[in-house]
Amino acid sequence: QKEVEQDPGPLSVPEGAIVSLNCTYSNSAFQYFMWYRQYSRKGPELLMYTYSSGNKEDGRFTAQVDKSSKYISLFIRDSQPSDSATYLCAMFYGSGNTGKLIFGQGTTLQVKP
Amino acid sequence: DAGVTQSPTHLIKTRGQQVTLRCSPISGHKSVSWYQQVLGQGPQFIFQYYEKEERGRGNFPDRFSARQFPNYSSELNVNALLLGDSALYLCASSFGGGQPQHFGDGTRLSIL
Repeated sequence: QKEVEQDPGPLSVPEGAIVSLNCTYSNSAFQYFMWYRQYSRKGPELLMYTYSSGNKEDGRFTAQVDKSSKYISLFIRDSQPSDSATYLCAMFYGSGNTGKLIFGQGTTLQVKP
Repeated sequence: DAGVTQSPTHLIKTRGQQVTLRCSPISGHKSVSWYQQVLGQGPQFIFQYYEKEERGRGNFPDRFSARQFPNYSSELNVNALLLGDSALYLCASSFGGGQPQHFGDGTRLSIL
């Protein structure tokens, strides 16, 4: 069993739709939770960073963390064709200045005009 | 401000050769991490360096090595290249600890 599970999709939605992306994890020691967006032939771009259960909103993006269920989500409102990319969830594992990110497989999203 | 920069952007090598990839972190960041991303998968952790010391190593063979320089830039070396080493190699930098890691656009390594 992988430490972080993420449905690879692909997920196809019409422009303007609300998108829901999800990850589950097994290690309760994960401390920080991130969502990255990766365009083709580019590196991952940090979208959201959270460390506690609850919601965090940034523009059209909302990150949700439920530590009791070991479940995180990313919601995209009013989706645009420019949101078409691969979305990666990541969890930080470590202590002090030592640590690493554990990534999900990534979900490919296509937003159709 | 400049982000994480990696060079070269693309490399083609043959089996058995050696390769060196380079990374310059965001100014002020002391932690550099390396990840390998194969097509269709999420990045896999290879190394973390903080203040020029190796702080973590992922499940990769000894053919993989790295170092960090006094200016916090870093190199990843891979010896005796195998076909399976073909991947996108990503460098990420941060202030350290659980602070957000920011990635470069990677080096795409192709092994023939």
